[in-house]
Amino acid sequence: DQQVKQNSPSLSVQEGRISILNCDYTNSMFDYFLWYKKYPAEGPTFLISISSIKDKNEDGRFTVFLNKSAKHLSLHIVPSQPGDSAVYFCAASDIIQGAQKLVFGQGTRLTINP
Amino acid sequence: DAGITQSPRHKVTETGTPVTLRCHQTENHRYMYWYRQDPGHGLRLIHYSYGVKDTDKGEVSDGYSVSRSKTEDFLLTLESATSSQTSVYFCAISEGSLTNQPQHFGDGTRLSIL
Repeated sequence: DQQVKQNSPSLSVQEGRISILNCDYTNSMFDYFLWYKKYPAEGPTFLISISSIKDKNEDGRFTVFLNKSAKHLSLHIVPSQPGDSAVYFCAASDIIQGAQKLVFGQGTRLTINP
Repeated sequence: DAGITQSPRHKVTETGTPVTLRCHQTENHRYMYWYRQDPGHGLRLIHYSYGVKDTDKGEVSDGYSVSRSKTEDFLLTLESATSSQTSVYFCAISEGSLTNQPQHFGDGTRLSIL
């Protein structure tokens, strides 16, 4: 059973508007959450993260919100730009035997339309 | 960009042949990881290493082995490739086992097993 889920395979947003990507998780032991952005034929690139002791982290146009009671996180991109078109993965971190294990969602393909 | 090089970038081979993928890092990071990416599954952890000659299994380790004889190199071997191992393989590195830091990824190897 998937511990991290992104239920929207794709999202289309107009340039300049807000993009909201969602992610749900089931394991309450996860204590660090990350968003990665991926272009075709490239590896995932780290975008932003949040610790479970916070409920919001902001970095320029990108903000991640964490709702621990609902086991839900979201990524807000404001304003959306054409270069934001990519696949976005959320990931949750757990420490097992001293090593960080990332569990990824299935990804959401974001398309920014001019 | 993190200094991670994966080779080869593309490979086509036949069922039953051995295949070795290489990940080389110039960051002197302790932790190295191998993931595979498949549609509908996001990225899934195959094996990881927490030091020279120290490795352990991930979520989808069956059919794969790894070796790490030097800090900078982490090899993934498919002893007898099967069509179900057709995938895109990503290597990742991280500095330590603390939860509040991201892993950084290479650009991947696209492997096709015919």
